[in-house]
Amino acid sequence: KQEVTQIPAALSVPEGENLVLNCSFTDSAIYNLQWFRQDPGKGLTSLLLIQSSQREQTSGRLNASLDKSSGRSTLYIAASQPGDSATYLCAVKDDYKLSFGAGTTVTVRA
Amino acid sequence: DAGITQSPRYKITETGRQVTLMCHQTWSHSYMFWYRQDLGHGLRLIYYSAAADITDKGEVPDGYVVSRSKTENFPLTLESATRSQTSVYFCASSATGPAAFFGQGTRLTVV
Repeated sequence: KQEVTQIPAALSVPEGENLVLNCSFTDSAIYNLQWFRQDPGKGLTSLLLIQSSQREQTSGRLNASLDKSSGRSTLYIAASQPGDSATYLCAVKDDYKLSFGAGTTVTVRA
Repeated sequence: DAGITQSPRYKITETGRQVTLMCHQTWSHSYMFWYRQDLGHGLRLIYYSAAADITDKGEVPDGYVVSRSKTENFPLTLESATRSQTSVYFCASSATGPAAFFGQGTRLTVV
């Protein structure tokens, strides 16, 4: 059974600081890894998708890396803004279904 | 509207009642999923479907029933609601391989 862990569970930083969110998974036989953002009371918004053959993906201030052999992914958010405050979820896909971590709740202080 | 739509967005029901949560997607994705999200547990898979008329259990299926007579619809039924089923329910869809897309969620309260 795939186990996904996200560390830290919560993070508070001043505006402008870079964010580093970690995700680890136990079974490296994954199809892809997806990072989501969830605002309070809202649904999940896909941020980045990394295929198992890829090492990283970038979108604007967001960069996600994947080391499948060690079962790790890292989401970097550069120059954080108060609007980045949300919960970030990591999910790994094996065959067809997603297994989620519990998330990292980020607060960016103005 | 294109996308994945859940209804209702909010529902309060009584213990023992049957309740159905609806999910509709417009992409003709083959896979559809139901997850529940609870504090301390994250998102857990309840049921999934690989195609019309093909469904299978996920991690926490007890007390739930699903059907998929059409590719675009995947309703989730709580046969006899219990307080432990108070949760936020998310429906998702995906084609084989690419990203999964999620609905906005249904917040269900069982009193």
